[in-house]
Amino acid sequence: GESVGLHLPTLSVQEGDNSIINCAYSNSASDYFIWYKQESGKGPQFIIDIRSNMDKRQGQRVTVLLNKTVKHLSLQIAATQPGDSAVYFCAEISSGNTPLVFGKGTRLSVIA
Amino acid sequence: DGGITQSPKYLFRKEGQNVTLSCEQNLNHDAMYWYRQDPGQGLRLIYYSQIVNDFQKGDIAEGYSVSREKKESFPLTVTSAQKNPTAFYLCASTPQEGINYGYTFGSGTRLTVV
Repeated sequence: GESVGLHLPTLSVQEGDNSIINCAYSNSASDYFIWYKQESGKGPQFIIDIRSNMDKRQGQRVTVLLNKTVKHLSLQIAATQPGDSAVYFCAEISSGNTPLVFGKGTRLSVIA
Repeated sequence: DGGITQSPKYLFRKEGQNVTLSCEQNLNHDAMYWYRQDPGQGLRLIYYSQIVNDFQKGDIAEGYSVSREKKESFPLTVTSAQKNPTAFYLCASTPQEGINYGYTFGSGTRLTVV
């Protein structure tokens, strides 16, 4: 398949283990954050979001943690599956009318 | 089904040639965006439009042009002034209302200069 990122940071995990993907954001005024998953040759898909007035949000098998003090965002995936293999991006936005700003991404590789 | 459609999926351009990438959405979204993706990098914003007949430059607009004559359509032209156009291009759309920032992405166009 096509590669969307030849030199991205890579995280390799065993199937069934938990994964933690980290993201440092730059704008202290950002008030909304989103995690996207991108499979090879496809567009990004929404995973989970969080607003700046929260520090944790849970979805199905995924949890996002936000630490505004150090401008850090993380995505935790429980019981990682081969289908979770993809590139994961965090994105931030500082106001309602400004476009999303994306981080560089992390490639998650699940070892069966 | 509602969605956002990009075409073509693959596009080859000769040196000095202009090419246009199509992006169409039937989600009734107000805002549309073009991003460029290179290996080892995240998505970089080229142009965006929040309303028909209006658009703004993003971070890397040089060598590109857009139009927004219809709400549903936001084509991107890669001109001969773009010196390194080989990349994966992604179009996205979103409602303009303040609560929902969720972007819907197309499946992308991979442009290669030959």
